Amino acid sequence: AQSVTQLDSQVPVFEEAPVELRCNYSSSVSVYLFWYVQYPNQGLQLLLKYLSGSTLVKGINGFEAEFNKSQTSFHLRKPSVHISDTAEYFCAVTNYRGAGNMLTFGGGTRLMVKP
Amino acid sequence: GAGVSQSPSNKVTEKGKDVELRCDPISGHTALYWYRQSLGQGLEFLIYFQGNSAPDKSGLPSDRFSAERTGGSVSTLTIQRTQQEDSAVYLCASSPGHVEAFFGQGTRLTVV
Repeated sequence: AQSVTQLDSQVPVFEEAPVELRCNYSSSVSVYLFWYVQYPNQGLQLLLKYLSGSTLVKGINGFEAEFNKSQTSFHLRKPSVHISDTAEYFCAVTNYRGAGNMLTFGGGTRLMVKP
Repeated sequence: GAGVSQSPSNKVTEKGKDVELRCDPISGHTALYWYRQSLGQGLEFLIYFQGNSAPDKSGLPSDRFSAERTGGSVSTLTIQRTQQEDSAVYLCASSPGHVEAFFGQGTRLTVV
C-alpha cells in the first residue's frame, strides 16, 4: 500500500515570487512520482514525472521537482510564479507493475497567485 | 480524437435514478482508468481496464457501481440507484501501456 501527503492545502503567494509545494509519500516498494495540475472545471494535466535517473526533474510551465528517496519527498518548485499558475496541484505515486498503474493521489494544494 | 473525451460534462439526477457516464479514450490506448474526485475524499481510483477486461475493480465503492469497456475503446461507468454521496467529478484516464496517464475533463455528477 502507498500513500501521499501534501502538507499544505493552500499556498498564497505574490506574483513573481518563488514557490514550493510539498509532497511526501510512503510505500513499501519503489514508486514512480508525478505532479498534476488542475485548472478550474478541467481535468488533470501532467506537469512532470520521475521514473528513474536524475533526481531533479523539469516539467512544463517552468516547474521542477526533486526526488529525495531518503526523505521520501517530491517537492514541486517554481522560481517565479505567474497569475496563470493559480490552480490545484496534485502529487501522485504509482508502483509500476507493467500494467495497471493506478495512481494514488495526495489531497491537493491550491496555489493562489496574487498580483 | 486528440484527447480523452467524457460525456456528459455535467449531469444532474434525482436520488434513486440510474446514470451512465461515458469515456472515449485516446485511440490505441490499451489501459483505461476511472477515478472519482469529491470534496470529502479527494481523488480516488475506481476501476482499471486492460483491453476489455477489468483486472482491478477494487476501488468501486459499492455494488451499485459497475463499468464496462467494449472494443478496447469506449467505457461506460454506471451508477444504479444514485445517492447524494455519489455527487462528485468522475474522471477517466487512458494510457498506451506506459506509466503516464492522460485525463479527460471529467463528468460532474450532482445527485439531488
